[in-house]
Amino acid sequence: EVQLLESGGGLEQPGGSLRLSCAASGFTFGSYAMSWVRQAPRKGLEWVSSLSGDGTSTYYADSVKGRFAISRDNSKNTLYLQMNSLRADDTAVYYCVKSWDFWSAEWFDPWGQGTRVTVSS
Amino acid sequence: EIVMTQSPATLSVSPGETATLSCRASQSVSYKLAWYQQKPGQAPRLLIYAISTRTPGIPARFSGSGSGTEFTLTISSLQSEDFAAYYCQQYNDWPRTFGQGTRVDIK
Repeated sequence: EVQLLESGGGLEQPGGSLRLSCAASGFTFGSYAMSWVRQAPRKGLEWVSSLSGDGTSTYYADSVKGRFAISRDNSKNTLYLQMNSLRADDTAVYYCVKSWDFWSAEWFDPWGQGTRVTVSS
Repeated sequence: EIVMTQSPATLSVSPGETATLSCRASQSVSYKLAWYQQKPGQAPRLLIYAISTRTPGIPARFSGSGSGTEFTLTISSLQSEDFAAYYCQQYNDWPRTFGQGTRVDIK
């Protein structure tokens, strides 16, 4: 069974940094693209970033480009999201999601349970 | 950026009836359209990809249709567990984009 377990969320001040982690199990981690999707309180879903199976291709939403960095350690079956220069509008639940393919991060299945990030002074 | 627009925002339906949810793309996404269901306090789950392919375990009462820019999710004979929010998502281009969602609630 595929499992995705996020961690690293919490309360951070504007301008601060957080690093989210997603521990994956139940599949050959390095064979699949992975992504982060977020959901602000009482709002819809927003794609944040994706990464190919080997980590060589990365994609970012304009809202986080230059501030967030996605990465993976295939030896540890773990996906990361380094979040810098945090803003209040980054407040959301962040979901780690798996894709069906190696490169393109097309549809997202399954989803982790999410980790909550709150940016506030 | 491809903008995905869902309608209606909220749909009130009685159990046993059929719900029809719409999703429109600002430009063609070909067949690259997925649907997700999200219940309160839970992570989303994938229902359908490639317009009409159900993921394993999704009941046949969920069906997807459409092409190009106009898509529909139909839920036949609504069950109590189907009352939830539904999102469409295109994966034809970057950035990946979602619709704002349709909430299906009990009439």
